[in-house]
Amino acid sequence: AQTVTQSQPEMSVQEAETVTLSCTYDTSESDYYLFWYKQPPSRQMILVIRQEAYKQQNATENRFSVNFQKAAKSFSLKISDSQLGDAAMYFCAYMYYGGSQGNLIFGKGTKLSVKP
Amino acid sequence: NAGVTQTPKFQVLKTGQSMTLQCAQDMNHEYMSWYRQDPGMGLRLIHYSVGAGITDQGEVPNGYNVSRSTTEDFPLRLLSAAPSQTSVYFCASSYVGVAEAFFGQGTRLTVV
Repeated sequence: AQTVTQSQPEMSVQEAETVTLSCTYDTSESDYYLFWYKQPPSRQMILVIRQEAYKQQNATENRFSVNFQKAAKSFSLKISDSQLGDAAMYFCAYMYYGGSQGNLIFGKGTKLSVKP
Repeated sequence: NAGVTQTPKFQVLKTGQSMTLQCAQDMNHEYMSWYRQDPGMGLRLIHYSVGAGITDQGEVPNGYNVSRSTTEDFPLRLLSAAPSQTSVYFCASSYVGVAEAFFGQGTRLTVV
């Protein structure tokens, strides 16, 4: 069975600094997607970034980038120039490409605090 | 464009009561799913559907029923609520073959 592990329950960063959130996963599949979701206090699940496993290039969305290491099954999120609005729960998630596509497997989350 | 709409947003139930959490999407997505979120546990899949008339169990299906009579709607039923079902529930939808899930705003359910 696939699993997603986030080993940092809480992280803190100074405003304007850079922070990296860790995620590892376990799967025997070769075709899959990985995601980072942000959940602010409003509870809304917001997609931050997506990575296709077949792509070697790391995904980037403005201040958010990932370090995808397929062989190591590692998928970390780097937030540059952290802003107060980045404070939230961040979830790493996995989706298998075939079969029951659409089913997301989530890690337990990392709570990010941003200090002014 | 409403996206994924969940109702209600908050609900308090007594143990043993039944209720239905509603989920509707207006994007003609084939795939719909229900997750529950508990502190320190992330989101876990309860049930999902890949189209009208087709449903299947996820990781934590016990105590919940679903049906999918239309593409738009995917209600989640609690037949006899238990305190262990106190949680935040999310409905999500997506196109089959497209890895982008759209989430509703969640329902906070408390069972006393």
